[in-house]
This record gives sequence, structure tokens and C-alpha cells, in this order.
Amino acid sequence: EVQLVESGGGVVRPGGSLRLSCVASGFRFDDFGMSWVRQAPGKGLEWVSVINWNGGSTNYGDSVKGRFTISRDNAKNSLYLEMNSLKAEDTALYHCARDWGHYFDFWGRGILVTVSS
Amino acid sequence: SYVLTQPPSVSVAPGKTARITCGGNNFGSTSVHWYQQKPGQAPVLVIYYDTDRPSGIPERFSGSKSGNTATLTISRVEAGDEADYSCQVWDSSSDHRVFGGGTKLTVL
Repeated sequence: EVQLVESGGGVVRPGGSLRLSCVASGFRFDDFGMSWVRQAPGKGLEWVSVINWNGGSTNYGDSVKGRFTISRDNAKNSLYLEMNSLKAEDTALYHCARDWGHYFDFWGRGILVTVSS
Repeated sequence: SYVLTQPPSVSVAPGKTARITCGGNNFGSTSVHWYQQKPGQAPVLVIYYDTDRPSGIPERFSGSKSGNTATLTISRVEAGDEADYSCQVWDSSSDHRVFGGGTKLTVL
């Protein structure tokens, strides 16, 4: 059974930093690209970032480019999102998702990030 | 870049057919994928590549695409189908994934 479990969320002040983690199980992690997708309260889904199977290629949504960094450790079956210069509008539930054929076939339940003073 | 437009809400009686649309531009060069999200749960892929259904998704769920509109059709709607549904495409020019705003399906 494919499982994706996020951690590392919390409350952070504007301008602060946070690092999210996602541990994968139930599939060969290094065979797949992975993405982060977020959902702000009362809003729709927003794609944040993608990383290919070996970490050699990454891409970011316009709203986070230059502030967020995606990475992975295949030895630990783990995906990460380093978030810097956080803004109130980054407040959201962050999901990691398996990125297969440019769509998301499995998702984690998400972890909440709140940016507030 | 793509902008996907969905109706904010759709209502349907149990046993009837629900149709949720996703409007976009240049759909001919990309595929549309659909997700179901219930409160407190992870999103679930229900349709990929316009019309394909993942294993475990009931046959009542189907997808279609014509011109600049993709449609998710749910036949014989059940109370358990009440959820938010979002469409998504891949923009090959930027390698970005783009979501529609989501549609809340209410079963009357």
C-alpha cells in the first residue's frame, strides 16, 4: 500500500523558515518524481514544486520560486520542502504527492503551515 | 499558460447524473486529470488522461473532453460522492502543473 506521510508543519512568523518532510512507503521511491501541492483555507489546490526521480531536475510555481527549495533523499525514501521568507499567503495545508505522467496518483493527507505574527 | 475555470458548485439529486466542467485554452495539446477531495482526507485521483479511470474508482465516474471543455461525469450519484472536485493539466511549455479552482458537489 502506497503511503505518504508529511511532517514539519507549524506556526511561523512572517519572514521565517520551515522545513517540511514527507516519508514514502509501499513503492520504489526512486522510480518516481514527487511534488508538493498546497491548499490555502477555503481555496483550491495549488501546485508548489516538483522534483524528478534523482533530484537532478526541479521546478517551482511562480508564487514560491526563489523562496522554496525542494529536495529528496532516496536512501531515506524522503521528500523535503525548505520554505524561506514565508508570507501570510503561504498559510496552507501542504500535501506531498507522487507525480506520475504529470499528474498525481497518490497523495499524503497533508501538514498545516500557518504564517502569522 | 493555462487558466482552468470550474463552476464553484454543482448540486444533484441522488441517483441522477452530475456533470462538472473544466474550461481551459488549448486543451488539444494537453490531458486533463480529475481529483476528488473529501473534508479531512487526501485528494484521490478519479480520472487521468482525459478518460482513464484508476483501479478502484467506480465505473460511475467518467471523463470526456471536447474543444476547450473537459467534463467529469458521475452517474447514479450517491451521497458518498459529495466532495470537492478539481481538474488539473500539465503545461509543457513551463513544466508547471495547473489546477482549476475546484467544484463543490452537493448531493441533495
